[in-house]
Amino acid sequence: QLAVTQSPSASASLGASVKLTCSLSGGPSDYAIAWHQQQPEKGLRYLMKFNRDGSLNRGDGIPDRFSGSSSGAERYLTISSLQPEDETDYYCETWGTGIHVFGGGTKLTVL
Amino acid sequence: LQLQESGPGLVKPSETLSLTCIVSVDSVSSRSYYWGWIRQPPGKGLEWIATIYYGGRTYYNPSLRSRVTISLDTSKNQFSLKVSSVTAADTAVYYCGRVQEYSGSSANFDDWGQGTLVTVSS
Repeated sequence: QLAVTQSPSASASLGASVKLTCSLSGGPSDYAIAWHQQQPEKGLRYLMKFNRDGSLNRGDGIPDRFSGSSSGAERYLTISSLQPEDETDYYCETWGTGIHVFGGGTKLTVL
Repeated sequence: LQLQESGPGLVKPSETLSLTCIVSVDSVSSRSYYWGWIRQPPGKGLEWIATIYYGGRTYYNPSLRSRVTISLDTSKNQFSLKVSSVTAADTAVYYCGRVQEYSGSSANFDDWGQGTLVTVSS
């Protein structure tokens, strides 16, 4: 069964970088994923898609300090030059034929 | 925002929850997109509910399939969700979203409505 797992929490200092992890299971290790940000009072914001070939497609207006990478079945969202507004929840998503699976989310704290 | 959810914010237990997502830019008849719903119970994570493609192809979360119906209205450029026999466990923020089409199947959600809170209570 396709599943994605995220660490419940992460923290990093203002101006520093942080790497959030999404672990895939139940499917091929080269699965594509997408990252979404929960914007307080605004709902969800699509950040990017990390493709099976390792390429990255950012959403409209997403700055390049948000980037993606992978290693085996792990997918990473790296946020550099952390800003106060980056402190929120981040979700990864993967999909199969007609189904979508979301991770439980990572709560990022900017110290 | 090109996606806007609408519907009652309060539904009684055992009744049917009905939501509509009005799409203002893209066409719901586009072959480039699927359209879908997810929800987020208070303090919890995201749960995919259902997805639909032009022509009527539908996909449902197996855990909700027996109670959920998703439909498309091309004349009004909108799509809808119905959840029957609701309980307090269906209380959540419901989001509609656009889903990328890729190689004949659905890929990721890439655009969202702002979400609407639906509370199930008598």
